[in-house]
Amino acid sequence: NAGVTQTPKFQVLKTGQSMTLQCAQDMNHNSMYWYRQDPGMGLRLIYYSASEGTTDKGEVPNGYNVSRLNKREFSLRLESAAPSQTSVYFCASSEGGMAEQFFGPGTRLTVL
Amino acid sequence: GENVEQHPSTLSVQEGDSAVIKCTYSDSASNYFPWYKQELGKGPQLIIDIRSNVGEKKDQRIAVTLNKTAKHFSLHITETQPEDSAVYFCAARPGSGGYQKVTFGIGTKLQVIP
Repeated sequence: NAGVTQTPKFQVLKTGQSMTLQCAQDMNHNSMYWYRQDPGMGLRLIYYSASEGTTDKGEVPNGYNVSRLNKREFSLRLESAAPSQTSVYFCASSEGGMAEQFFGPGTRLTVL
Repeated sequence: GENVEQHPSTLSVQEGDSAVIKCTYSDSASNYFPWYKQELGKGPQLIIDIRSNVGEKKDQRIAVTLNKTAKHFSLHITETQPEDSAVYFCAARPGSGGYQKVTFGIGTKLQVIP
């Protein structure tokens, strides 16, 4: 099992560009999450999907959109990147809302 | 919403000594408190967790304690080893509605000096 995989590992964007971060899990988990990690701020939830076909906002959703493509895949889209979105992005999954979350290796995004 | 405070932000200990990381939470309805370890360049990984109906839980060299009245919970690592060097995050999860909305502390960078 690969667990949770994320692509790309690194990305540099210019302000105003768009991009999609991809996430996939092979553990047949129902719930998936997107977090961002910034120095001194810990991990903050951007969006989550409790189950296939549903998505909900987390703590910091502004500037992002998500798509739960199927049970395995959950993508995060930045429509018009801003320097404030420079961060490390982690995708996670869990069997359900009350179960352990498993994290991917992260995507380091820099917006110039 | 929930607010989780974690301290210290950095901690250096000699190999073999103990390390303690403390967290407080604000929402008395929170009922699940996981601890994650993040090694350099990797995603966080669950190392131990505790539920609100339990006061203490141990797993080999690590233990977690919970004081529901004071809304405090702590991670204790005994006989520290260099491979314990990492960033540790505490977290709290609500007990009702929005189970997925886990709130994390800011993290503690632990350095174990050989």
